[in-house]
Amino acid sequence: NAGVTQTPKFRILKIGQSMTLQCTQDMNHNYMYWYRQDPGMGLKLIYYSVGAGITDKGEVPNGYNVSRSTTEDFPLRLELAAPSQTSVYFCASKGLAGGVNTGELFFGEGSRLTVL
Amino acid sequence: EDQVTQSPEALRLQEGESSSLNCSYTVSGLRGLFWYRQDPGKGPEFLFTLYSAGEEKEKERLKATLTKKESFLHITAPKPEDSATYLCAVRNNFNKFYFGSGTKLNVKP
Repeated sequence: NAGVTQTPKFRILKIGQSMTLQCTQDMNHNYMYWYRQDPGMGLKLIYYSVGAGITDKGEVPNGYNVSRSTTEDFPLRLELAAPSQTSVYFCASKGLAGGVNTGELFFGEGSRLTVL
Repeated sequence: EDQVTQSPEALRLQEGESSSLNCSYTVSGLRGLFWYRQDPGKGPEFLFTLYSAGEEKEKERLKATLTKKESFLHITAPKPEDSATYLCAVRNNFNKFYFGSGTKLNVKP
């Protein structure tokens, strides 16, 4: 299984440019999340979604937008990139707890973004 | 406000030297405490879920325990391959996950 797939893995942006980080999962999970991780820090929640058509803000949503038109995909849009958005971005998904699944998050490999 | 604090920030051990990592938390309606391992350049990898005070989970040299205000990750006789950053997270009753800053473990041979 592919699990959670993120693209691109690396990207350099100029200040003021926009871009979309892609995330797709093949586990039929309802819940999907975007986190950012700054060097030496833990993960901060940007946005999350409980299902197609439903999204909500996390701890650090400013400067980002999301949409969830399908169960599989949860893209993160950066508008007017700023140096403060230089970070590693992780997408994650969660299924319902039951059986061997304890409701944990499954993470992608991350997208490293640099804004210059 | 839901939050997670981990200590120490960094820990250096000799191979075979046992120790514990701490995770203290405040959360509105705990729906699970989670431990993850993260290797450099990789996404976090799930280790354990704990749901209620007194619960314990074990996997090889790792054992996680939970009280009403904190969790411990005990590492017994660690090996160099246990070197990684260990992250603690809590899930609240809105299915939001809050992470601590992690403990970076370095085990020297």
